[in-house]
Amino acid sequence: SYVLTQPPSVSLAPGKTARITCGENNIGSKSVHWYQQKPGQAPVLVIYYDSDRPSGIPERFSGSNSGNTATLTISRVEAGDEADYYCQVWDSSSDHVVFGGGTTLTVL
Amino acid sequence: QLQLQESGPGLVKPSETLSLTCSVSGGSISSRSYYWGWIRQPPGKGLEWIGSIYDSGSTYYNPSLKSRVTLSVDTSKNQFSLKVSSVTAADTAVYYCARHGTHLHGQFQYWGQGTLVTVSS
Repeated sequence: SYVLTQPPSVSLAPGKTARITCGENNIGSKSVHWYQQKPGQAPVLVIYYDSDRPSGIPERFSGSNSGNTATLTISRVEAGDEADYYCQVWDSSSDHVVFGGGTTLTVL
Repeated sequence: QLQLQESGPGLVKPSETLSLTCSVSGGSISSRSYYWGWIRQPPGKGLEWIGSIYDSGSTYYNPSLKSRVTLSVDTSKNQFSLKVSSVTAADTAVYYCARHGTHLHGQFQYWGQGTLVTVSS
């Protein structure tokens, strides 16, 4: 089955650039979506179709997808960006949605 | 702005059937051809897709849950529903409904606030 691998945690200082990866064989051939989830809240879509940004999401959030890795990049990280981040794809070989295990972003 | 709201019992006994409804407001569930989905999150764990349904009624399920899950849609009430049979403690989770994309490879753009369902006797 399709498994999306994310690092459990990423920690960095404010103002730095966070890169959260989502890995699987040939993920570059799929459309990847990213969600931000803060404690006690529903997930929020931050990037869709690899690199598109919904209205209301800061330009500091960007995405890329190539080869075996998709990446969510958050520039100039702020304390308010602390959250869990999940990647998501549709696995057409088995007709189901797959979420990554999630990455906790900590702003030191 | 599209809004989704989950409703249903917060406590279900083991071996019984969990039933939840998602009410959609701010737009018609059948005005455009979207898929509508259910996702759950056990306490302290990650997101797990349960299934998605098209406004015509065609369904797609997580293979790991397929034998116990039924999705349905009621366009007259602007609602869609989830049933999970033979529940165990492992089904304890926050359950979210969400609007999936116009294609199955699309994103979940709008989410309900989530409802906690506890399986316990």
